[in-house]
Amino acid sequence: SQQGEEDPQALSIQEGENATMNCSYKTSINNLQWYRQNSGRGLVHLILIRSNEREKHSGRLRVTLDTSKKSSSLLITASRAADTASYFCAWSGSNYKLTFGKGTLLTVNP
Amino acid sequence: NAGVTQTPKFQVLKTGQSMTLQCAQDMNHEYMSWYRQDPGMGLRLIHYSVGAGITDQGEVPNGYNVSRSTTEDFPLRLLSAAPSQTSVYFCASSYGGGRTEAFFGQGTRLTVV
Repeated sequence: SQQGEEDPQALSIQEGENATMNCSYKTSINNLQWYRQNSGRGLVHLILIRSNEREKHSGRLRVTLDTSKKSSSLLITASRAADTASYFCAWSGSNYKLTFGKGTLLTVNP
Repeated sequence: NAGVTQTPKFQVLKTGQSMTLQCAQDMNHEYMSWYRQDPGMGLRLIHYSVGAGITDQGEVPNGYNVSRSTTEDFPLRLLSAAPSQTSVYFCASSYGGGRTEAFFGQGTRLTVV
């Protein structure tokens, strides 16, 4: 399988806490992206980090990328109940196709 | 702009029936893709297209056909539905393939009985 792994598979935290999700992939990449999926809905793009970047921020999101370890992490700071969703990493190599990880289900309790 | 529109939202098929899942985008994107999502499996690529008239297979293409006659539309055909094709199907489009962000439709939940 070309899929990598995300961990944890599920994460439950309290509002205000930080949430960290990790992603590992298996191939050389052009970029890595993170998406969010609310229950029963389509995926929404959150952030894209290129292979020559190590860290990127967007609002309460911080993404890191370590190409030597073929891994990435997504940090959501000061989480809110509305952040409850599944989060997926996806990566693209030289053939421009996007491959997705299996996702992390985040539950933020009020 | 509507973005990516998928129809229908829900469908129940009997084994052996055929159907077409529709996908249309109004962003003039060259790249379009079909994924299926199964519990615990993430999204797996079925077929993709890099422009009108050009399609290619993804990770799980068996049992599915596609065509791309226009930039806007990318239908997915199930020729003879099987219970293993019970899944949620997502269509996506992007400006630059995997190099740029993808925009997703709301999905079609298909049950094959």
